[in-house]
Amino acid sequence: QKEVEQNSGPLSVPEGAIASLNCTYSDRGSQSFFWYRQYSGKSPELIMFIYSNGDKEDGRFTAQLNKASQYVSLLIRDSQPSDSATYLCAVNMNRDDKIIFGKGTRLHILP
Amino acid sequence: DTGVSQDPRHKITKRGQNVTFRCDPISEHNRLYWYRQTLGQGPEFLTYFQNEAQLEKSRLLSDRFSAERPKGSFSTLEIQRTEQGDSAMYLCASSSPGQGAGELFFGEGSRLTVL
Repeated sequence: QKEVEQNSGPLSVPEGAIASLNCTYSDRGSQSFFWYRQYSGKSPELIMFIYSNGDKEDGRFTAQLNKASQYVSLLIRDSQPSDSATYLCAVNMNRDDKIIFGKGTRLHILP
Repeated sequence: DTGVSQDPRHKITKRGQNVTFRCDPISEHNRLYWYRQTLGQGPEFLTYFQNEAQLEKSRLLSDRFSAERPKGSFSTLEIQRTEQGDSAMYLCASSSPGQGAGELFFGEGSRLTVL
């Protein structure tokens, strides 16, 4: 079992709709979780982090964490063409902050 | 510019040659990470440092790969006897510990092509 798993996509969503991206992780002891966005040819950039069970909202983005199910998700409301990118889920695996990434989900917002 | 810088940005080499990449992290960040990324894949963990101490090296990494951070500032990643399978983007990132851990700031990467 891979440490961090994501559906590679592509996920196609009409402009203005909600995009839902999912991630599961294997280490039940993981404490912090991150979503990075990576545009083609660019490096990843952090867009959200979440440490506690439940929802965390930041503008059009909502991160959701369910530690019992070892599941993290990212919702993007009112999707825009500029949201088209690869979204990487990352997990802090241990006390020494080893950060492991999933393979990413390609998101395509249809104009 | 106070971001993470990597050098060189592009490197083309012949199979069997050695290559070295350098990363200069954000100055106040004491953690430094190296990842490798190929097309369509997420960043693959290679190794990371806290100051000059190497905390872990990926078990998937062969002995041809070595990394150092001698004074806890910049880091180098060396690949000896390169193989075509080493062709990838090598990403460096830095972070501060504690609450900032996991909030990685990436450099623009060093792209390696092995012919």
